[in-house]
Parts: sequence; C-alpha cells; structure tokens
Amino acid sequence: KAGVTQTPRYLIKTRGQQVTLSCSPISGHRSVSWYQQTPGQGLQFLFEYFSETQRNKGNFPGRFSGRQFSNSRSEMNVSTLELGDSALYLCASSLAGINSPLHFGNGTRLTVT
Amino acid sequence: DQQVKQNSPSLSVQEGRISILNCDYTNSMFDYFLWYKKYPAEGPTFLISISSIKDKNEDGRFTVFLNKSAKHLSLHIVPSQPGDSAVYFCAAPNFGNEKLTFGTGTRLTIIP
Repeated sequence: KAGVTQTPRYLIKTRGQQVTLSCSPISGHRSVSWYQQTPGQGLQFLFEYFSETQRNKGNFPGRFSGRQFSNSRSEMNVSTLELGDSALYLCASSLAGINSPLHFGNGTRLTVT
Repeated sequence: DQQVKQNSPSLSVQEGRISILNCDYTNSMFDYFLWYKKYPAEGPTFLISISSIKDKNEDGRFTVFLNKSAKHLSLHIVPSQPGDSAVYFCAAPNFGNEKLTFGTGTRLTIIP
C-alpha cells in the first residue's frame, strides 16, 4: 500500500508570494491533517479535513488555508509569504481522524527568502 | 501554552545501554499518549502508545511508562541500537478538535 505522498519535497519562494502544497493520503483514508514543524516549536497543528470538510483549524493566521477533494487528496495554500513561514510542512492521513493512527508523509520543506 | 513538554532537547547514549526519554503534560484531560520517531528528511512514524487506564505498555525493545499523578510519561529503549538515533516526539490527541498536540522533541544519539 502506498504511503502518504507530499509534493513538492522542496520549495523556495520569496516574501509576498503564495504557495500551494499537495498531499495524497493513503488509499481509503478519509482524514487529512496538516502540521508545521519549525526548530524549537515541535509540530504545530494547522487543520484537519474529513470528507471534504474542515473539522478544525489550529492557531494560524488566515493566510494559511486548505481544502480537500472528493478523492481525499488535500492541498494547503499560504498566501503573502513571510520569512517566518519557512518550515517543514507535514501532511498526515488516517482512516477517521485521531481515533486511528496518523500516517505522515515526508513533508515539504518551504524556504522563504 | 505548551501542553506537552519534552525538556531535554538532546540525549546521547552508548550502544547497548538503556535510553530514557521523558515527557510531561499539563492537560489532565489527555488520556492517551503516543510516541513518534522521526529521521531527517522523513515524516514521523508511530512507535508506541499508552492509554491512561494502563501504566505500562511494551513492544519489543520499547516500553512506555505513564505516571498519571505526576502527569509524566517516559519511553525506555533497551538495548539501544545505532538505528535508534532519531528525534522522538511524544504526543497526545485532543479528541475534541481532532488534533495531536506534540512535544518539541528529543534528539537521541546512540554512540557505537
């Protein structure tokens, strides 16, 4: 069974630009979550989608948004990039949410210059 | 508000010895805990979990202990192997809002 796939693996953007990251969950998984990892901050929850509905959002500004498609694939978008948005963005999928184990992708490393 | 804390950013242990990684939490509503392991350039992978109805859970070389009164859990790895060198995160699910709250991680280095 293929794991969680995130594309691209690496991105370099400049301040003020916007970026879209993509996540393909494990087949059959309907829940997709996004986390941001920065040095010293651990993994911070961004949002979670289930069957195309955002069920919860973390404490991030409105510049961070996401969506989920009918095939459970998900995208997250960051607009008006800031230097502090440089981070590893991780996507995780599960069958039904955090009642079942989360399976993480290898992440997208975003660098904002 | 860091509800899950890992106060040791790094730990070095000789191969073959015991590695003990610690985690403290503040939210008494947490009743289930997980440990994830992360290698560089890879996503975290699930290692072991424990429910608050237990105080110990074992899986091979890995054992997690939970002390509810102290709001403390620890991960023991015995014997430690070079492949155990990684960053370890403890996490607690918040079932009310579908998120995992992670600690900041401990980088474990096993010295051959």
